[in-house]
Amino acid sequence: DAKTTQPPSMDCAEGRAANLPCNHSTISGNEYVYWYRQIHSQGPQYIIHGLKNNETNEMASLIITEDRKSSTLILPHATLRDTAVYYCIVSFIYSNYQLIWGAGTKLIIKP
Amino acid sequence: GAGVSQSPSNKVTEKGKDVELRCDPISGHTALYWYRQSLGQGLEFLIYFQGNSAPDKSGLPSDRFSAERTGGSVSTLTIQRTQQEDSAVYLCASSPSGTGDFEQYFGPGTRLTVT
Repeated sequence: DAKTTQPPSMDCAEGRAANLPCNHSTISGNEYVYWYRQIHSQGPQYIIHGLKNNETNEMASLIITEDRKSSTLILPHATLRDTAVYYCIVSFIYSNYQLIWGAGTKLIIKP
Repeated sequence: GAGVSQSPSNKVTEKGKDVELRCDPISGHTALYWYRQSLGQGLEFLIYFQGNSAPDKSGLPSDRFSAERTGGSVSTLTIQRTQQEDSAVYLCASSPSGTGDFEQYFGPGTRLTVT
């Protein structure tokens, strides 16, 4: 079973920030949080990962709560091309070849 | 540069036939992964290669499934005596080193339909 819980779907207006929550209440101290997304009919695409600190890259920001039991992926200025299924995954770095994927959040960006 | 490629993109086969799915990883990537994805579901891990060896085959669902990798590059996933429940999208990914890599690079997948 996936170690994370995500809402099945969310909407966001184009140009606004999209905030995608993820609950991982059973995360252990050396498990990372990963985010991938899958645009329709394509393979998944890596977005970002983090351990304890908040992280930012050119695609998104990852905010991890202090107790590490939940996180939020932020797409700062959502575009129509960001419509996709977003997956939150937790895994040890040395077993990350066997990522366990849940059903993800279907994010729909509306014009 | 070239990404991960998979062939065929679509495969329709009759129940009981054998199928071979091919994956060409990114050049120089030593780690290669196979997953499958049923409609509306997340990905299910099948097997992981480090070079030509498969340290973890635990995800293969039955002995009808096998995979090999040659020359540290191309990999083939073979399904023997296909069943309707094998219908899914089969995804391949690669990464530079394997464990310790945060990012896996995925191909577009092969959609397998067993009739």
